Parts: sequence; structure tokens; C-alpha cells
Amino acid sequence: ETGVTQTPRHLVMGMTNKKSLKCEQHLGHNAMYWYKQSAKKPLELMFVYNFKEQTENNSVPSRFSPECPNSSHLFLHLHTLQPEDSALYLCASSELDRGNYGYTFGSGTRLTVV
Amino acid sequence: LAKTTQPISMDSYEGQEVNITCSHNNIATNDYITWYQQFPSQGPRFIIQGYKTKVTNEVASLFIPADRKSSTLSLPRVSLSDTAVYYCLVGDIQTSGTYKYIFGTGTRLKVLA
Repeated sequence: ETGVTQTPRHLVMGMTNKKSLKCEQHLGHNAMYWYKQSAKKPLELMFVYNFKEQTENNSVPSRFSPECPNSSHLFLHLHTLQPEDSALYLCASSELDRGNYGYTFGSGTRLTVV
Repeated sequence: LAKTTQPISMDSYEGQEVNITCSHNNIATNDYITWYQQFPSQGPRFIIQGYKTKVTNEVASLFIPADRKSSTLSLPRVSLSDTAVYYCLVGDIQTSGTYKYIFGTGTRLKVLA
């Protein structure tokens, strides 16, 4: 257990479904991130939240909608996804919105879109 | 967007020292270089971080030359449990003046018995 908990660990959804990924951190960090990791590809940053405010959106399609109600919780709402969206979705947190502070990652949600 | 590149894969035998290099030609002046280890179906885990010269902790060493355009992660006496993917992470100044934290392409290390 790293201090960053992601649920569910696995998710299979149809292209017309709506689902949400949840991330929770108990480290007192102020920045939270969503990353996408596809097979044999490097980690792709999707969204950054710093003190609950979104500070970065890396041209992510609108079918992915993040939500950060407080510094400890981060959600990724999914709707009308495509099969190419199947991937490991990783949540991370850090003390502040800078790589120097070191990221703590959760174990990820393995998403399969059918 | 400057790329942060690493060798795709490496094989090693148990007990050997493994050195993995990351090239980051456009690293931001004030940023650190951080290395992570990732096992299958898990998130990356912090290994070591440095700014310049050499840093050593209980699991690895990190060598950074004066120009900081590359860094080398050194794993002493690897074991089978060190089989994983290793990523470097650096800050990269964009043309807009903002930072982007770029993970390297990852090096898949396989340790053989």
C-alpha cells in the first residue's frame, strides 16, 4: 500500500456506459494527477490538480472528465469511450505540483473498453 | 517537445551491476532528475532523485554529469526481483515557458538467473 488508493482495480465497460474511477490519498499531498499507460508506451500525463484546481489538461478528449472535490480525492468520469482507451489508468499525488517533490502512484485501474 | 529517451530493454545476470542511462537534452535548469521502478500491474515507485554529480541511497546510485543532459541509474548486484521497467522523470521547459514533467520512454530490465 503506497498511500494512494485507486478503485476499482479492474473495469470492463461498453462504449455506451458511464463509469467513474476513484483515487484517494492519505499523504497530505496537495497535487494529484491522472496518467494513462497503454501497452508498451510511456506514461502519458492527462490531468493535474494543484490545491483542488485543475492546472493542466494535456489535450485529453472530453469523454474523460476529471473531478477533484478536495485535495485528498480525485475522480475520472468516463463516458462513450472507445476501444483504444483501454489502458492502465494511474493516479499519483505529490506534495506540490512539481516533479521535484516525487510522485506517489496508486496501483492503477486496468480499464477494458468493449 | 524535447524527448526523454532511454534504451528500450536490457538483460543482466544476478549479482551484476546494471547501468541505465536517460538522455534529457532540454532539462530545465532548476529541476531534479528522478527515477522510478514499475512492476507489472502496479504504479511506478520512487527509487532515487538527484540534481548533479552523484547520489546514493540504499538501493541505487545516480550519476549526473556537469551538463545534466543525461543521467545514469546504477543498480548494484541485481537480483531476480529487480526485473521491472525503469523510468526517468525530468522537468522540461516548453516554448511557452511552462514546465512539463516528462517521463522517459522506459527501460525494461530483465534479470536472469
